[in-house]
Amino acid sequence: SQTIHQWPATLVQPVGSPLSLECTVEGTSNPNLYWYRQAAGRGLQLLFYSVGIGQISSEVPQNLSASRPQDRQFILSSKKLLLSDSGFYLCAWSVLNEQYFGPGTRLTVT
Amino acid sequence: TQLLEQSPQFLSIQEGENLTVYCNSSSVFSSLQWYRQEPGEGPVLLVTVVTGGEVKKLKRLTFQFGDARKDSSLHITAAQPGDTGLYLCAGAGDSGTYKYIFGTGTRLKVLA
Repeated sequence: SQTIHQWPATLVQPVGSPLSLECTVEGTSNPNLYWYRQAAGRGLQLLFYSVGIGQISSEVPQNLSASRPQDRQFILSSKKLLLSDSGFYLCAWSVLNEQYFGPGTRLTVT
Repeated sequence: TQLLEQSPQFLSIQEGENLTVYCNSSSVFSSLQWYRQEPGEGPVLLVTVVTGGEVKKLKRLTFQFGDARKDSSLHITAAQPGDTGLYLCAGAGDSGTYKYIFGTGTRLKVLA
């Protein structure tokens, strides 16, 4: 069966520090991969998606970037965090018409 | 730009009551998904509807996709405290299924 991992679960970082969130998927090949950000109790905002290794589409101009160095690995990064980068970050993979989410990372920028 | 509006945003009801959540758009979607999310966790997929007019049932939950594939509803019969959570709809764009547009969310609280 397929499994998606995200780490860390929680992160507190100072303004101006770098960021690296990692997501890996097991049990499937060549998945579409996604990074979302969610404000408290609200819907999800699509940040990046990838349909293959090295292929990244950005949805929202921002302080973040994404990379897909391996088929089942998706990384969200920032060189310098802003206060507005705080939020709940979710990684997901999809097949056909269905998306499956990781457990999420709660990022607090102080 | 495709948008999905959910209503109501918040709903607090007593155990045993029925409720309906709506997901509306002016855009056509190739498919639509419903998720439930608990605080601090990722959304969990409940159902996917693909055909206009399609109805799917999951125990006490009934999902319907509009005939024109622009809207959907989720009906819960005899709500229970375990149904409490954030309900999200998401549409896959008609031009492909790479991108999913999420609704604004409905926060449901079922009181015992």
